[in-house]
Amino acid sequence: NAGVTQTPKFRVLKTGQSMTLLCAQDMNHEYMYWYRQDPGMGLRLIHYSVGEGTTAKGEVPDGYNVSRLKKQNFLLGLESAAPSQTSVYFCASSYSGRGDEQYFGPGTRLTVT
Amino acid sequence: GENVEQHPSTLSVQEGDSAVIKCTYSDSASNYFPWYKQELGKRPQLIIDIRSNVGEKKDQRIAVTLNKTAKHFSLHITETQPEDSAVYFCAASKPRGYNKLIFGAGTRLAVHP
Repeated sequence: NAGVTQTPKFRVLKTGQSMTLLCAQDMNHEYMYWYRQDPGMGLRLIHYSVGEGTTAKGEVPDGYNVSRLKKQNFLLGLESAAPSQTSVYFCASSYSGRGDEQYFGPGTRLTVT
Repeated sequence: GENVEQHPSTLSVQEGDSAVIKCTYSDSASNYFPWYKQELGKRPQLIIDIRSNVGEKKDQRIAVTLNKTAKHFSLHITETQPEDSAVYFCAASKPRGYNKLIFGAGTRLAVHP
């Protein structure tokens, strides 16, 4: 049981480049979330999904897109990276939407130069 | 929207002392309050949570208290050990809120031997 995995672990992008971060979970969880973590600001929700084929905006969705084509995968895309998107990105999943533990992936450290 | 404030931002204690971290939330509809521990370079992991129908919950050296009237909740760690050194995050979510968590900014706890 791998839990929640993320690829890649590290990435450096130039301004204007695009990339996709992949999150995968093998716990059959319905709910999945993407957060970004910046120093002194905790974790902020970017987008989330309540099931296969659904996505919704979180607190800080601008500049990001997501897709949930398969229940076990949740993709986060940056179409045109900006230095302000330099951050550590965490994916999480939970069984339900009713106050369940969220299980986090190991994170992706992204630097945009 | 919901806002969660967390204090202090840093906390330094001697091994064996107690540590208390406090959070306040703005939305009285919030009903689920988890605490996550994040060691350096690692993913956040749930250490304890409390729901609004309970005033206190304990798990060995860790306890959480909730005051719904004042809209604040606290994490108490007794007999601290060096391995308790980490960043601690409080969070809040609402019923029918898809388990979306609003996090505090974090408290960096250092336990000195």
